[in-house]
Amino acid sequence: GAGVSQTPSNKVTEKGKYVELRCDPISGHTALYWYRQSLGQGPEFLIYFQGTGAADDSGLPNDRFFAVRPEGSVSTLKIQRTERGDSAVYLCASSPPTSDTQYFGPGTRLTVL
Amino acid sequence: GNSVTQMEGPVTLSEEAFLTINCTYTATGYPSLFWYVQYPGEGLQLLLKATKADDKGSNKGFEATYRKETTSFHLEKGSVQVSDSAVYFCALSELTGGGNKLTFGTGTQLKVEL
Repeated sequence: GAGVSQTPSNKVTEKGKYVELRCDPISGHTALYWYRQSLGQGPEFLIYFQGTGAADDSGLPNDRFFAVRPEGSVSTLKIQRTERGDSAVYLCASSPPTSDTQYFGPGTRLTVL
Repeated sequence: GNSVTQMEGPVTLSEEAFLTINCTYTATGYPSLFWYVQYPGEGLQLLLKATKADDKGSNKGFEATYRKETTSFHLEKGSVQVSDSAVYFCALSELTGGGNKLTFGTGTQLKVEL
């Protein structure tokens, strides 16, 4: 079946602009996670959704970052007033009920000029 | 907090050589442990996992044993192939608000040459 999909695959923006990154999880997966991977590093946790609600947003670096999942499926990560330090690959993962295995999407590479 | 430490790369091996990538962790509870692999140009894929002490995860000839006494989860393969060239990430999961937040190591790049 279809895996986790993320759009766009690449996003180039200018400092100060607003961006939205989209994640479409595997059908039936109730848990959805966002991670950020900087060059040469492992992914770092940003936020976790169970259904529509953000159950853990402790990894969001500051209040410029926000994420929603209004219908419990697709999620959007929103970054306001982007900074050059936000440049990274943003990864989304989903997980089926009663499993701790996460399935990752291909990521969105964000470049802030 | 939780953390994962894995050996730095790149690791360069000849085909059919034995592979070990070391991974140690720090955790307050009893996490599940994972190895994820990222092939060039592709997304992260689960390679193997172990959920409790002394469990052995295995897949595609790779193995790792959950060692609670040494807080380790070293990845091994008896005979590597060129197609195994990739970046390997060790990770642990921590239960949070009902979910399983992953903490990753920095990754180890493996290059296998003919």
